[in-house]
Amino acid sequence: SQQGEEDPQALSIQEGENATMNCSYKTSINNLQWYRQNSGRGLVHLILIRSNEREKHSGRLRVTLDTSKKSSSLLITASRAADTASYFCATDAREYGNKLVFGAGTILRVKS
Amino acid sequence: GAGVSQSPSNKVTEKGKDVELRCDPISGHTALYWYRQSLGQGLEFLIYFQGNSAPDKSGLPSDRFSAERTGGSVSTLTIQRTQQEDSAVYLCASSLAHRDTQYFGPGTRLTVL
Repeated sequence: SQQGEEDPQALSIQEGENATMNCSYKTSINNLQWYRQNSGRGLVHLILIRSNEREKHSGRLRVTLDTSKKSSSLLITASRAADTASYFCATDAREYGNKLVFGAGTILRVKS
Repeated sequence: GAGVSQSPSNKVTEKGKDVELRCDPISGHTALYWYRQSLGQGLEFLIYFQGNSAPDKSGLPSDRFSAERTGGSVSTLTIQRTQQEDSAVYLCASSLAHRDTQYFGPGTRLTVL
């Protein structure tokens, strides 16, 4: 498996429901970041969580980090059709030269 | 303020031709990154520049790929003798310093026929 792997690969929910995406990684990290990408173009940074943090919130987004399990989750509450996008986790790890390593992403579709 | 810009937004070329892709980072950002994203895939790191330090070229897939950053600002990614497998979206990002939050441009979609 790669350094960052998201699951599920694709998720389809109804507007108003919560969406949870997970990310697993292999090595010790400095931080983990979540990005959103619309229509296969530029990425938008959502949240950065450091290795000594366990949870962060930003609006309707909640990110958790469990370094013992080498995993993170992104929760989007009260989803909207505009949340439809691909979501990527990216890890910053010394083993990878302190460069961001991106997973393959989760495609989220929110149906109105 | 202005974000990261990339040009062209789309490029169609014939196999064997050279292409140049341009990235204008956010003013004042010392770090600049190039990534490649194939259809339905995550981002693949290519190269990054940090200030006046030698660039980290560890992600360049072959010697047909090169990049430069002039005056610590604009960067150009050059692909020589393009192949069909080079078809992808090429994304540029900049950050205030290395390992800070990266801000991405809209990408250049390269199609090699």
